[in-house]
Amino acid sequence: GAVVSQHPSRVICKSGTSVKIECRSLDFQATTMFWYRQFPKQSLMLMATSNEGSKATYEQGVEKDKFLINHASLTLSTLTVTSAHPEDSSFYICSARDYSGEDTQYFGPGTRLTVL
Amino acid sequence: LAKTTQPISMDSYEGQEVNITCSHNNIATNDYITWYQQFPSQGPRFIIQGYKTKVTNEVASLFIPADRKSSTLSLPRVSLSDTAVYYCLVGLGFQKLVFGTGTRLLVSP
Repeated sequence: GAVVSQHPSRVICKSGTSVKIECRSLDFQATTMFWYRQFPKQSLMLMATSNEGSKATYEQGVEKDKFLINHASLTLSTLTVTSAHPEDSSFYICSARDYSGEDTQYFGPGTRLTVL
Repeated sequence: LAKTTQPISMDSYEGQEVNITCSHNNIATNDYITWYQQFPSQGPRFIIQGYKTKVTNEVASLFIPADRKSSTLSLPRVSLSDTAVYYCLVGLGFQKLVFGTGTRLLVSP
């Protein structure tokens, strides 16, 4: 299946700083990528939909000024958590749409963010 | 977006066949059914996808009745490493996916 990578796999930062997470589709082009957040023992919650070359679409309740998403190329989307606070600590997962085969979404390995 | 319903948890033993059923009464005509597996602290892993009848790959089978209002993921001869959360989702690749609670499968020796 298609491969999606995320970097970094885990990050620890101080409150008030910004953190950037990268999501890359390694062997296919992804016009659409998605960002999710998952808290312990809970399911994945969609944060936003990212389309290459256009502004991201955010889910209700997700602050677009806090979670900046950029999808500048067909293989890369970035999520920047600005002015991070401890409540932003979570597991962030991206997915990318591969429409060349079965037109499904493939997920990255996730990024564990801890804000002190 | 179609909503899915799955059992919260299931228990099995090594070597047994496990069938996890998912209900999706409001599935749209063009929707596909996709199953993912997730281990702790990892992203979901694609298992299988289908539209109707039966689909089989090297790790699982997916059974979909004619009305497509439900589907069953079949895992043959499970091992301890199959202990994970399994999610059933319906939709198309470009659509946002709504994750339900998933089914927590525990495989014991």
